[in-house]
Amino acid sequence: GIQVEQSPPDLILQEGANSTLRCNFSDSVNNLQWFHQNPWGQLINLFYIPSGTKQNGRLSATTVATERYSLLYISSSQTTDSGVYFCAVASGGSNYKLTFGKGTLLTVNP
Amino acid sequence: DGGITQSPKYLFRKEGQNVTLSCEQNLNHDAMYWYRQDPGQGLRLIYYSQIVNDFQKGDIAEGYSVSREKKESFPLTVTSAQKNPTAFYLCASSTPGQGSPYEQYFGPGTRLTVT
Repeated sequence: GIQVEQSPPDLILQEGANSTLRCNFSDSVNNLQWFHQNPWGQLINLFYIPSGTKQNGRLSATTVATERYSLLYISSSQTTDSGVYFCAVASGGSNYKLTFGKGTLLTVNP
Repeated sequence: DGGITQSPKYLFRKEGQNVTLSCEQNLNHDAMYWYRQDPGQGLRLIYYSQIVNDFQKGDIAEGYSVSREKKESFPLTVTSAQKNPTAFYLCASSTPGQGSPYEQYFGPGTRLTVT
């Protein structure tokens, strides 16, 4: 099956800093989603982005499908941005089966 | 409010007992999913259902069973055959359609502890 690798595994920032999280995948994808898992375990949808670029406030994402990677940008980070960020993809003709990466643990210090 | 509810939030069971986790959605989504998350790991797919009365095994279905008798409900039973059932269980739903087809939305999860 498809492999999903996220980097870095851990990231520590000071409030106000910018960051880039990366997601590499091993095959063409039908669906790519970025999630934020908060400290209570809730997965929050950030972006649905199988290709192209999207922005939502301080967050933006770019997926270059032909080169099999996606980037999540967080600008002017806040302590509430802390948590785990997951990339998940669907591929192989299935729109239903999401394969998750292991996530990036982001800690934003005040 | 439209959304996905899971109950209970925390569940404790003795080894050897079957336990059923509830998942309900009022988003009118066709597809529903169950995932398992272990500490420090990503989510892994247990079962999914594209339509009522139909479901397929995911990557780690052994020791689990599901039913889909109603569009809005997709309960998961963790059986005594599951060798390591302690985990965080998340339910999701999606629907084909315009905009963001098959985008999955998640419930708040159930933390199951088996001792």
